[in-house]
Amino acid sequence: KNEVEQSPQNLTAQEGEFITINCSYSVGISALHWLQQHPGGGIVSLFMLSSGKKKHGRLIATINIQEKHSSLHITASHPRDSAVYICAVGGSQGNLIFGKGTKLSVKP
Amino acid sequence: DGGITQSPKYLFRKEGQNVTLSCEQNLNHDAMYWYRQDPGQGLRLIYYSQIVNDFQKGDIAEGYSVSREKKESFPLTVTSAQKNPTAFYLCASSIVDSPNQPQHFGDGTRLSIL
Repeated sequence: KNEVEQSPQNLTAQEGEFITINCSYSVGISALHWLQQHPGGGIVSLFMLSSGKKKHGRLIATINIQEKHSSLHITASHPRDSAVYICAVGGSQGNLIFGKGTKLSVKP
Repeated sequence: DGGITQSPKYLFRKEGQNVTLSCEQNLNHDAMYWYRQDPGQGLRLIYYSQIVNDFQKGDIAEGYSVSREKKESFPLTVTSAQKNPTAFYLCASSIVDSPNQPQHFGDGTRLSIL
């Protein structure tokens, strides 16, 4: 069993829809990261959180430590949000463990 | 602007050849990382460096080598011992080596075999 599981693997949405991407993990963590990988391959860090909720613009990330689950929400989705969204968790050993990513396509 | 520069963007390797991927950062970060990304898989750690003149193997270090002679630079050599080198390679850095620090990524190098 993978230590970090993301769902769904692929997601297609219409512009304006509310989007949720899920991340479940099986290891103890000190922080969880959400990353965005653009079609060209570059990766941008969106959020790092260890409890509660963070918001940046139309993006919201939540984490439930007891349930070992995090969600990334996108409100009022736009075609420019099309990318691969990656969840990564950091354990006590320091190195990050990455999920396989969720490929999001937002249609106009 | 501060950031990470990887070069080249595309690289082709002949059988039996060593190739070196460049990674430079001007963020004054102590920690640097090399990841490999294959289709349908999560990023896997090849090597990481917590400080100049020091580096450690990650999960898939076989067939790779690195050096960290300068704080700004962390080149990765893909040796002929790496039998399946075709992949997308990403370099990253963080202020210090900690899971509680965000990592900054370069734009990647795509390596293919001729």
